[in-house]
Amino acid sequence: AQTVTQSQPEMSVQEAETVTLSCTYDTSENNYYLFWYKQPPSRQMILVIRQEAYKQQNATENRFSVNFQKAAKSFSLKISDSQLGDTAMYFCAFRINAGGTSYGKLTFGQGTILTVHP
Amino acid sequence: GAGVSQSPSNKVTEKGKDVELRCDPISGHTALYWYRQRLGQGLEFLIYFQGNSAPDKSGLPSDRFSAERTGESVSTLTIQRTQQEDSAVYLCASSAPGYEQYFGPGTRLTVT
Repeated sequence: AQTVTQSQPEMSVQEAETVTLSCTYDTSENNYYLFWYKQPPSRQMILVIRQEAYKQQNATENRFSVNFQKAAKSFSLKISDSQLGDTAMYFCAFRINAGGTSYGKLTFGQGTILTVHP
Repeated sequence: GAGVSQSPSNKVTEKGKDVELRCDPISGHTALYWYRQRLGQGLEFLIYFQGNSAPDKSGLPSDRFSAERTGESVSTLTIQRTQQEDSAVYLCASSAPGYEQYFGPGTRLTVT
């Protein structure tokens, strides 16, 4: 079974500064995906960034980047130039990249509430 | 095109009543997932549909929970004899096989 752990229940950052959210996971699989999702108060889950485990290069999407350490099973999210609209709950998630009955099922961490202050 | 939609947006029910929650996936998405999110918690997987079959029901918490799907479209999650611990947001997601899951806005269920 896979587990995902986010050890920071809450984080805060000043507008325009940089913040890093932590995530660790445990799995015996070798082929998988990792994700960061954002959930604002509207409840809508929004995909922020995705990382394939077989890729060594860290994924980047505009102001969002990850630090993927496969051996350490660590997957942190860095938000640069934080904006007020980044205020939300952030979830780290894991998915096996394989067929079968678990195909596509996401395992989520407990989430980190991020507040961006003006 | 239209995203994943869910209805109702909010549902308040009395303990012991049955409830039905509906999910309309994105057209053409063969995979559909139900998740439960308790207050302040992460999402817990409930069930996965591929077409109208459910190869993974491992997350359904008890036999009071069931779900069905009509072809590759609408899915209904039914909770019988609701209990207070069933209070949560129920989220539905759909995807093309191997692609990203797109989530609906969820149904907030409150059992009084």
